[in-house]
Amino acid sequence: DQQVKQNSPSLSVQEGRISILNCDYTNSMFDYFLWYKKYPAEGPTFLISISSIKDKNEDGRFTVFLNKSAKHLSLHIVPSQPGDSAVYFCAASADSGYSTLTFGKGTMLLVSP
Amino acid sequence: KAGVTQTPRYLIKTRGQQVTLSCSPISGHRSVSWYQQTPGQGLQFLFEYFSETQRNKGNFPGRFSGRQFSNSRSEMNVSTLELGDSALYLCASSLSLAGATDTQYFGPGTRLTVL
Repeated sequence: DQQVKQNSPSLSVQEGRISILNCDYTNSMFDYFLWYKKYPAEGPTFLISISSIKDKNEDGRFTVFLNKSAKHLSLHIVPSQPGDSAVYFCAASADSGYSTLTFGKGTMLLVSP
Repeated sequence: KAGVTQTPRYLIKTRGQQVTLSCSPISGHRSVSWYQQTPGQGLQFLFEYFSETQRNKGNFPGRFSGRQFSNSRSEMNVSTLELGDSALYLCASSLSLAGATDTQYFGPGTRLTVL
């Protein structure tokens, strides 16, 4: 049973537009969420995180929104750039982050010029 | 500061063999976690070591094992390899126990192919 789901395997966006990557979770114990970006042949790189006491966290072009009642989070990238083309993983943990991360399967984002 | 290093980067083995993968964490990091990435399952947690002790274990068979040395370097071993073990194995390190409050830094991974 997948506790963290990224239902879109891929997403194509034009440069300059907004990219929205979605993630759903089922475990109500999750209270800390992260997004990682992964380029081919490299390990995932931490992007941004959010704790359940917030509903939004922003870092430059990246904003993560959390809807606890819907058990849904999303990553917004504005404006999208070709260098953002990568696989994005959503991850979650319980106990305010001191437990193992559970990852979604990832969404491949392709930003075209 | 050097990042997480993993060796070897690529490995080809045959069914029934065993394999050992190595991970050197970022200097000063005491926690090392291992993940398996496959196209079908995405990233799955294998185990976590902190101060030479296994602290958490994912849902993998006993053929998968690991250890951590006093210098925080970690190895994982897979015995009696199966075709389904073909995957990218990622190691991640963090300052303390793997958790969101201490960001995990990932290595480039070891690509294991089992023939």
